Amino acid sequence: DTAVSQTPKYLVTQMGNDKSIKCEQNLGHDTMYWYKQDSKKFLKIMFSYNNKELIINETVPNRFSPKSPDKAHLNLHINSLELGDSAVYFCASSQGTGGRGYTFGSGTRLTVV
Amino acid sequence: RKEVEQDPGPFNVPEGATVAFNCTYSNSASQSFFWYRQDCRKEPKLLMSVYSSGNEDGRFTAQLNRASQYISLLIRDSKLSDSATYLCVVNNANDYKLSFGAGTTVTVRA
Repeated sequence: DTAVSQTPKYLVTQMGNDKSIKCEQNLGHDTMYWYKQDSKKFLKIMFSYNNKELIINETVPNRFSPKSPDKAHLNLHINSLELGDSAVYFCASSQGTGGRGYTFGSGTRLTVV
Repeated sequence: RKEVEQDPGPFNVPEGATVAFNCTYSNSASQSFFWYRQDCRKEPKLLMSVYSSGNEDGRFTAQLNRASQYISLLIRDSKLSDSATYLCVVNNANDYKLSFGAGTTVTVRA
């Protein structure tokens, strides 16, 4: 049983399109995150929700919009995709603050052409 | 200055060797420390937490030096399966986000 699952695993799309990535966790955690890992391998936080409330919103273009319908789900919608959005997007969850580490999903590899 | 800095490597070592590497962190308020392992094209997975007194998990030993603000990881008796990128991760008290280093790549050769 996958603890943090993301779909799709791979996404290839053209510039200008709108796409969504979905994430679900079955760990009972109350906090979920989106991280982006670019070609230089740095993992950087984008957003975090705690019990459906947005608690972290880093400097991210407003073309990116997260949505958390409940504490087990966190989706990421991206409008007007650009070449620079190509990266691996990881969903993660934790119980409370990050002090106990996270569980990550397997990632969504987004390629914008 | 990056919040967490690591030597990117790569460290190429023969099987059975010992390899060690450090990372430094800039925020003295950092409270929790971890080593994550990331295999190529996979998600990061928690390898071990790092405690103030230092801790071991099998062949892996982690140390924390708060005064100098660095964390180390030592791998003894390296196995081929230890080949991966090791991510140094810190978390500040009451903070939800983790700050990641860019990773240290270790390649163990037969």
